[in-house]
Amino acid sequence: DVKVTQSSRYLVKRTGEKVFLECVQDMDHENMFWYRQDPGLGLRLIYFSYDVKMKEKGDIPEGYSVSREKKERFSLILESASTNQTSMYLCASSQLATVTDTQYFGPGTRLTVL
Amino acid sequence: AQSVAQPEDQVNVAEGNPLTVKCTYSVSGNPYLFWYVQYPNRGLQFLLKYITGDNLVKGSYGFEAEFNKSQTSFHLKKPSALVSDSALYFCAVRALNRDDKIIFGKGTRLHILP
Repeated sequence: DVKVTQSSRYLVKRTGEKVFLECVQDMDHENMFWYRQDPGLGLRLIYFSYDVKMKEKGDIPEGYSVSREKKERFSLILESASTNQTSMYLCASSQLATVTDTQYFGPGTRLTVL
Repeated sequence: AQSVAQPEDQVNVAEGNPLTVKCTYSVSGNPYLFWYVQYPNRGLQFLLKYITGDNLVKGSYGFEAEFNKSQTSFHLKKPSALVSDSALYFCAVRALNRDDKIIFGKGTRLHILP
């Protein structure tokens, strides 16, 4: 079974802090994704990556950056956290060769910015 | 541009009754369609997908979905609801061009009443 893990289930940070959210997958998937989930808005794509050191902006990249130095790890960075970044953050991975792109999700990190 | 709509924020069904969670989509070309489920405090889990072929797709936990090209719909169904089916359900779509990202609906909360 594919396993996607996220470094924290719950995180509380203060406005202006730099925040790192880590995601690791163990199935050698090429694609990795970061979403945020907000009530009434569903899932919105922040960034995704098709390969190591490669990144593409999603629908809401402002205020975020990402890093993919190794195939299995995809990090989301909030350079200066703000209260409007309080949300549930979900990481996902999928295989590049499969156009059907079933995504496998981690358990999520609920981030609160005070 | 592709899009997906889940017209109901919440669906209530009595245990043992059939359930339907609605999804409509818009893409140029042939769609790939997905259903995911999210249980409380968990990440999303893949339920089923339509790629091609039989319009009735069977998935996990007794769920199925019917692809209707003329109505551009992909409704999720189950003949007999269980209380444990209570969760948040997301429909997702992507088009054939693999540069297109998967687009998720806003989610429908399903309540199964004992």
